[in-house]
Amino acid sequence: ELKVEQNPLFLSMQEGKNYTIYCNYSTTSDRLYWYRQDPGKSLESLFVLLSNGAVKQEGRLMASLDTKARLSTLHITAAVHDLSATYFCAVDNMEYGNKLVFGAGTILRVKS
Amino acid sequence: EAGVAQSPRYKIIEKRQSVAFWCNPISGHATLYWYQQILGQGPKLLIQFQNNGVVDDSQLPKDRFSAERLKGVDSTLKIQPAKLEDSAVYLCASSLDWRIYNEQFFGPGTRLTVL
Repeated sequence: ELKVEQNPLFLSMQEGKNYTIYCNYSTTSDRLYWYRQDPGKSLESLFVLLSNGAVKQEGRLMASLDTKARLSTLHITAAVHDLSATYFCAVDNMEYGNKLVFGAGTILRVKS
Repeated sequence: EAGVAQSPRYKIIEKRQSVAFWCNPISGHATLYWYQQILGQGPKLLIQFQNNGVVDDSQLPKDRFSAERLKGVDSTLKIQPAKLEDSAVYLCASSLDWRIYNEQFFGPGTRLTVL
């Protein structure tokens, strides 16, 4: 069974600080996805990581993938209040019909 | 490009009643998904369609949930009869073709409250 674990589940941080969210998964995966969800809203795609060593950056967010360690990280640089949201990672695998399996999510609160 | 459309956005029903949700995917997307997201959790796949065929419905509670995508475009998800534990947000997503590239785009969701 494909399982995804995120930590921390809740993160409260000050504006201007840096932090990292971790995403571990249980079996080999074809792709790793990061989504953002604002309260009462749907999921917005942030990054799709396709191969070992992949790194993608958008603004203050940077995502990386280490398929050997089965680990992805979402690094937040100099956090601002607008980044407050819930962040989900998800993986898929051909053996499981390519269905997305999501982590529980990390609630991020950036305090000004 | 229009996104994934869902309706209704909110629904409140009593237990044992029935309810139906509708989804219109992004034009040209062959793969359509229904997810259930319980408060505080990540979305869980209920059913996956490729055009009008079912790819995966292993996590769909078939005694009460049903879904169809008859013409390979729009889809409906039905719950009959509803239970209290069905209270959740039901998300529809679509992708170009799960066999080629699986980035999924999500609709706004339907928030179901069962009283």
